[in-house]
Amino acid sequence: DVKVTQSSRYLVKRTGEKVFLECVQDMDHENMFWYRQDPGLGLRLIYFSYDVKMKEKGDIPEGYSVSREKKERFSLILESASTNQTSMYLCASSFGGLRQVPNYGYTFGSGTRLTVV
Amino acid sequence: AQSVTQPDIHITVSEGASLELRCNYSYGATPYLFWYVQSPGQGLQLLLKYFSGDTLVQGIKGFEAEFKRSQSSFNLRKPSVHWSDAAEYFCAVGARYGQNFVFGPGTRLSVLP
Repeated sequence: DVKVTQSSRYLVKRTGEKVFLECVQDMDHENMFWYRQDPGLGLRLIYFSYDVKMKEKGDIPEGYSVSREKKERFSLILESASTNQTSMYLCASSFGGLRQVPNYGYTFGSGTRLTVV
Repeated sequence: AQSVTQPDIHITVSEGASLELRCNYSYGATPYLFWYVQSPGQGLQLLLKYFSGDTLVQGIKGFEAEFKRSQSSFNLRKPSVHWSDAAEYFCAVGARYGQNFVFGPGTRLSVLP
């Protein structure tokens, strides 16, 4: 069964801490994405990547960075966590990269619920 | 700019009743349309997708959706809802090529016994 795995289901961190959220996929997908999900706001794209060492800003990149050193792993980094970053974080992946391949949709991980206190 | 609206924030239906969740989109080119479901505390699972051809598409768990270009809509339906269908449902639109989606804000479905 193919999957996207997020390393933690729940995390509690203190304000000012550096936080790493890890995501691994086993489908050889080129594209990987990080979203945050908040009630009433839906899913908002933070960063995405089309290939190893490539990254692109999404709609709300402020306060976040990402790392993609290997194709299967995409990490989201909160450089200095703040309470307004308390949220559900969802990782997703899909085929394609920069090739012209049809858009078949994403495979999502189960999410990491982060609380910053 | 592309956008997706889901007019209903929360819908409650009785078990066994029919269901229709609304989705309207704004998109400059031919859209690829998707419905995802998110059970409590889980990630999103793809229910169905529309690329081209027959405007009525079938998905998993007994769901179907109809694409109506003239109304810019892609409504999700199920003839008889089960208690396990209680979840949040997201509509999304993307391009034929290119990997980014725009998601709607979601509709939360509650099912009464």
